[in-house]
Amino acid sequence: EPEVTQTPSHQVTQMGQEVILRCVPISNHLYFYWYRQILGQKVEFLVSFYNNEISEKSEIFDDQFSVERPDGSNFTLKIRSTKLEDSAMYFCASMETANQPQHFGDGTRLSIL
Amino acid sequence: AQSVTQPDIHITVSEGASLELRCNYSYGATPYLFWYVQSPGQGLQLLLKYFSGDTLVQGIKGFEAEFKRSQSSFNLRKPSVHWSDAAEYFCAVGTYSGGGADGLTFGKGTHLIIQP
Repeated sequence: EPEVTQTPSHQVTQMGQEVILRCVPISNHLYFYWYRQILGQKVEFLVSFYNNEISEKSEIFDDQFSVERPDGSNFTLKIRSTKLEDSAMYFCASMETANQPQHFGDGTRLSIL
Repeated sequence: AQSVTQPDIHITVSEGASLELRCNYSYGATPYLFWYVQSPGQGLQLLLKYFSGDTLVQGIKGFEAEFKRSQSSFNLRKPSVHWSDAAEYFCAVGTYSGGGADGLTFGKGTHLIIQP
């Protein structure tokens, strides 16, 4: 069964550094998402992306965050200047069409030192 | 804005016993409802979904859920749990507007412990 792939599985970064999290969505999917889960807390929506643009973003997704689909297969989340509170598990998800469920990757654990 | 409440943070069930995990949502219209399961160190796996139609939906691994509009609930059930069902379970609500798909709103999750 096709799946969403995220790399790396664990990223350790110094505070203030830029980090890029990478995702390969399922190949025929059209909608892409990033979520985060701070340790012990619930999963929170960050941003959705469709037709090469952001369709929705949450309050968490401020100017430090950006997303990009640089080619036909990758979907990236960039954090420009990381803060300690950015430490979390980040999940990528994709969806084939509207009215279908989202499929999640295994996540990238981001640790900010 | 929509919200999801999972009132039970932890639930302990004996292997072979039945299970019900509670989920209540708040949303002005009929939402799309989901249950996801997360094993330690893993991503979120879809158990089942409700979009419309029959209010009792069947999912993978023997799980089912029932949508009750009058109670704004979407409780997850399994008649007989297995030790491998120990995991974190998340209820989520989705909305679709203008042809696009909004982000899911998740509950805080219920941690399921299986006793031998």
